[in-house]
Amino acid sequence: NIVMTQSPKSMSISVGDRVTMNCKASQNVGNNIAWYQQKPGQSPKLLIYYASNRYTGVPDRFTGGGYGTDFTLTINSVQAEDAAFYYCQRIYNSPFTFGSGTKLEIK
Amino acid sequence: QVQLKESGPGLVQPSQTLSLTCTVSGLSLTSNSVSWIRQPPGKGLEWMGVIWSNGGTDYNSAIKSRLSISRDTSKSQVFLKMNSLQTEDTAMYFCARAYPGTPWGQGVMVTVSS
Repeated sequence: NIVMTQSPKSMSISVGDRVTMNCKASQNVGNNIAWYQQKPGQSPKLLIYYASNRYTGVPDRFTGGGYGTDFTLTINSVQAEDAAFYYCQRIYNSPFTFGSGTKLEIK
Repeated sequence: QVQLKESGPGLVQPSQTLSLTCTVSGLSLTSNSVSWIRQPPGKGLEWMGVIWSNGGTDYNSAIKSRLSISRDTSKSQVFLKMNSLQTEDTAMYFCARAYPGTPWGQGVMVTVSS
C-alpha cells in the first residue's frame, strides 16, 4: 500500500513569512495529489488538486508543486488565519491515502 | 449548491455494527464518486473507502474485511456499514465528493463504548 509521509510534523511561523511543507509518496503518483486545510472543529477544505491547481476561492498565496513522489505546499506571506493542520492526499487512484499532517502555528 | 450531510447513531456498543448515511444534494451519484473518511479525536485523517459513480467500490485494506459501502441513487444517499466495532473506531466520520475532493459533510461523531 502507498504511504504518504508529511514533514515537518509542526512548524511555528510569523505573520508575513513564507512557509513550505512537504509530502512524499512511497511510489510514483504522477500529479495525483491534493492538499487540504483543516481548522479545529471544521471539516477539511480543499486547497490544491492535481498537485498545483488552486481550487476556486483559495487565496493565491497558496501554491502547490511537485511530481512523482515529492510534493510541496507553499504559503507566501502567511496570515494569522492560516493557522491549521494541512494534509496531503493521493487522489484519482485508490487507495486515497492521506498523509499524517503538518500543524502550522502562528507566532 | 452541492451539499453532503452525514447522519447516524452517536453511540455504538463494542462488537456491534455501525450504520451511517450520507445524504447528498445538488449532485447526481451516477456522475459523482463519494468517499468516507474518519478522524479519531486529536488524530489525522483516514480514508476508509469510495463508491464510484458506476457503483463499484474500493476500500482501505486495513478495514476492508469489516466495511461495506453502498448507495441508493433514487434517494441520493450513500451508506456505510462497518461491523465488529472496537473503541479504536471512535472517530468523526465524514463523507466527501471524491473528485475534486470537495465538498465534505460536517461529519458525525461516533463513540464506541458500553
